[in-house]
Amino acid sequence: GAVVSQHPSWVICKSGTSVKIECRSLDFQATTMFWYRQFPKQSLMLMATSNEGSKATYEQGVEKDKFLINHASLTLSTLTVTSAHPEDSSFYICSARDPRQGAGNSPLHFGNGTRLTVT
Amino acid sequence: AQTVTQSQPEMSVQEAETVTLSCTYDTSESDYYLFWYKQPPSRQMILVIRQEAYKQQNATENRFSVNFQKAAKSFSLKISDSQLGDAAMYFCAYRYTGNQFYFGTGTSLTVIP
Repeated sequence: GAVVSQHPSWVICKSGTSVKIECRSLDFQATTMFWYRQFPKQSLMLMATSNEGSKATYEQGVEKDKFLINHASLTLSTLTVTSAHPEDSSFYICSARDPRQGAGNSPLHFGNGTRLTVT
Repeated sequence: AQTVTQSQPEMSVQEAETVTLSCTYDTSESDYYLFWYKQPPSRQMILVIRQEAYKQQNATENRFSVNFQKAAKSFSLKISDSQLGDAAMYFCAYRYTGNQFYFGTGTSLTVIP
């Protein structure tokens, strides 16, 4: 159980266009999902916390208008990279905790990530 | 502020041998949770093992075990009988209350056949 699906796995887009990445919890409901960005051989950087039915909470330094997050249902959060530029090229990963696993040591379950390349 | 430090950017181990990856963290809390994640070349994050701070007994999952030293704020991962499939980036993570996880910078493990 506790499967998180992320789509697409990779995407190439032209500079100035927008790209949407979907994150779905397949067998549990996630009121909160997390979006991370990872540069090659580096750690995961939390970009924002996505909250179902309310506005996302962005980490300091993350542009809200560039990285639009929508969490319209208990199983789906989307990250839209608007007016993408080459410097937005990166690996984006979503994750969520399964509330059925309790509030304590329940781990994060991760999607398989999206490799974005902006040309 | 909570920080997680992994002082070994790269490690290597001979197949079938044992290796220990180090992790230290900074916190003023007494109750928290610690995790080790593995990220193979596929980049899928996989939970390896977890530990509750209130438990004195070290967690074990098959060939993976931890050495949790609460006073020293240390949480090392031991991999026994290393296999080629263990080659990956390993991230230590800390979680207090709420949902936020804090990740270390990672250790790249190479397994030498």
